[in-house]
Amino acid sequence: NAGVMQNPRHLVRRRGQEARLRCSPMKGHSHVYWYRQLPEEGLKFMVYLQKENIIDESGMPKERFSAEFPKEGPSILRIQQVVRGDSAAYFCASSPVGRVYGYTFGSGTRLTVV
Amino acid sequence: GESVGLHLPTLSVQEGDNSIINCAYSNSASDYFIWYKQESGKGPQFIIDIRSNMDKRQGQRVTVLLNKTVKHLSLQIAATQPGDSAVYFCAEKRNTGNQFYFGTGTSLTVIP
Repeated sequence: NAGVMQNPRHLVRRRGQEARLRCSPMKGHSHVYWYRQLPEEGLKFMVYLQKENIIDESGMPKERFSAEFPKEGPSILRIQQVVRGDSAAYFCASSPVGRVYGYTFGSGTRLTVV
Repeated sequence: GESVGLHLPTLSVQEGDNSIINCAYSNSASDYFIWYKQESGKGPQFIIDIRSNMDKRQGQRVTVLLNKTVKHLSLQIAATQPGDSAVYFCAEKRNTGNQFYFGTGTSLTVIP
């Protein structure tokens, strides 16, 4: 069991570019969650998805950020027109159907906007 | 050694001593709690969890205590080792939704 896989591990983007972060959940997990962590802070919830369905996006910024979890393939967190304030570590977690027990995090993608 | 979470974000202990990390949570409706350990450059790693119908749970070298009256959670690490050096977060899940709300973390440094 490979665990929650995130890629890339590090991503550098210039201001105005797009960033795409990918997350493959653990085998058997169909729920995916994205969190953002600013330096020396705790993780902040962004969005909760199931396959082809956004369940809760209450933590997503209103503009430039979107997330999807297609029927096939990984979940994608997309940030358009990145700004320096988007620099952070983005973590994905997954859990089995209907349970949060077994909630497991990936190693994260560290986004740096220059 | 003992921290009070938000007021003391760092904690240093001697190797072999016991550590106590504290966390105050915000919502009385929270029904499930997890302690995570995060090492530099890595994702949060599950340590131990506790449901709101319990007040104590023990794992290997770790114990979590939950006081719902004052909305307080603590993590006790017995015989702290250098490998325990990390940032520790408490996370609460409220009774609606599946997301967790994280505290700001406590940085534990174990002195050999």
